Amino acid sequence: DGGITQSPKYLFRKEGQNVTLSCEQNLNHDAMYWYRQDPGQGLRLIYYSQIVNDFQKGDIAEGYSVSREKKESFPLTVTSAQKNPTAFYLCASSTAGKEQYFGPGTRLTVT
Amino acid sequence: AQSVTQPDIHITVSEGASLELRCNYSYGATPYLFWYVQSPGQGLQLLLKYFSGDTLVQGIKGFEAEFKRSQSSFNLRKPSVHWSDAAEYFCAVVIWGKLQFGAGTQVVVTP
Repeated sequence: DGGITQSPKYLFRKEGQNVTLSCEQNLNHDAMYWYRQDPGQGLRLIYYSQIVNDFQKGDIAEGYSVSREKKESFPLTVTSAQKNPTAFYLCASSTAGKEQYFGPGTRLTVT
Repeated sequence: AQSVTQPDIHITVSEGASLELRCNYSYGATPYLFWYVQSPGQGLQLLLKYFSGDTLVQGIKGFEAEFKRSQSSFNLRKPSVHWSDAAEYFCAVVIWGKLQFGAGTQVVVTP
């Protein structure tokens, strides 16, 4: 079964702690993306990667970091510098220039 | 400036009635256009896409959309809504190489 997996589905952290969200795809897509979703704001791009070992900042990269060591994996770290980290995080992948396919999402709650 | 506009935040429709969701974009050239659907707490599922050619595109779940260049619009339609169509719908447009999302339209289906 081809697709995108994100884990965990729910994540709870205390303020001041870094947390890493997992995203894995077996679609053989070159490009991968991280989005943040807040109610009433649609999706906002955090980071994207078009090839292994390379990634670019999106519209709201401050307080986040990523790595792309393998084609299949694109983990997102939410650092303590992110002022308002509680949100729903979505990972996506695509073949270059084509439609993006999304994972099921991770809901992060920071208290 | 908002590049992708979904004018309706919330639409209520009776089961069996027709549905039309509006999407307008700001871009000089003809973009790639998409509609996605999201059930609560889930990822986004691609309903349909437009890259070029026939301006009326068919998608999954009985949905269709029409690209109108003169109106910079890509409205989504379904002739007869089912209770399972209750969800949030996002229009997305590739502008300057980046996928931009509208804020979404919440669809409620009443018996």
